[in-house]
Amino acid sequence: KQEVTQIPAALSVPEGENLVLNCSFTDSAIYNLQWFRQDPGKGLTSLLLIQSSQREQTSGRLNASLDKSSGRSTLYIAASQPGDSATYLCAVTSNAGKSTFGDGTTLTVKP
Amino acid sequence: NAGVTQTPKFQVLKTGQSMTLQCAQDMNHEYMSWYRQDPGMGLRLIHYSVGAGITDQGEVPNGYNVSRSTTEDFPLRLLSAAPSQTSVYFCASSYSEFMNTEAFFGQGTRLTVV
Repeated sequence: KQEVTQIPAALSVPEGENLVLNCSFTDSAIYNLQWFRQDPGKGLTSLLLIQSSQREQTSGRLNASLDKSSGRSTLYIAASQPGDSATYLCAVTSNAGKSTFGDGTTLTVKP
Repeated sequence: NAGVTQTPKFQVLKTGQSMTLQCAQDMNHEYMSWYRQDPGMGLRLIHYSVGAGITDQGEVPNGYNVSRSTTEDFPLRLLSAAPSQTSVYFCASSYSEFMNTEAFFGQGTRLTVV
């Protein structure tokens, strides 16, 4: 059974800092991995989708990497801003088509 | 605005009552799904559909029914509400199945069963 772990559960940083969020998964036979952002009381917004054949994806200040062999993905946020404060979730989709979500990392960026 | 619309946003039910959570999307997506989000358990898949007339069970289907009569709508029915169904429910859609493409989520329905 696939398990997805996100550590730390919560992170607080000062504005302007570069930071890395981690996502690890136990079964490396994945189809893709997707990072989401969730604001309080809101739904999930897709940030980056990495196919299993890819190593990384970039969108603006966000860069996500994937290392299937070690079962890890990281989300790098450059020059963090207070507006980046949210919960970030990763979701892994297996080759069988099942998606498993992590519990998320709650990020607070202090002005 | 285009996207996934869920109604209602909040609901309180008594144990044993039934209700339907509505979900509609206007992006012509074939794939739609329902998740529940509980603290410490991540999002868990309840039911999904790969197209009109086709539905299948996810990880936690017991106590829930779905139907997909049109591409746009994917309602979730709670047959006889139980306190264990207190949760936040999210509907999602995407162009193809299994989150192969960007997934769009609704804003959620916060359900409390007393």
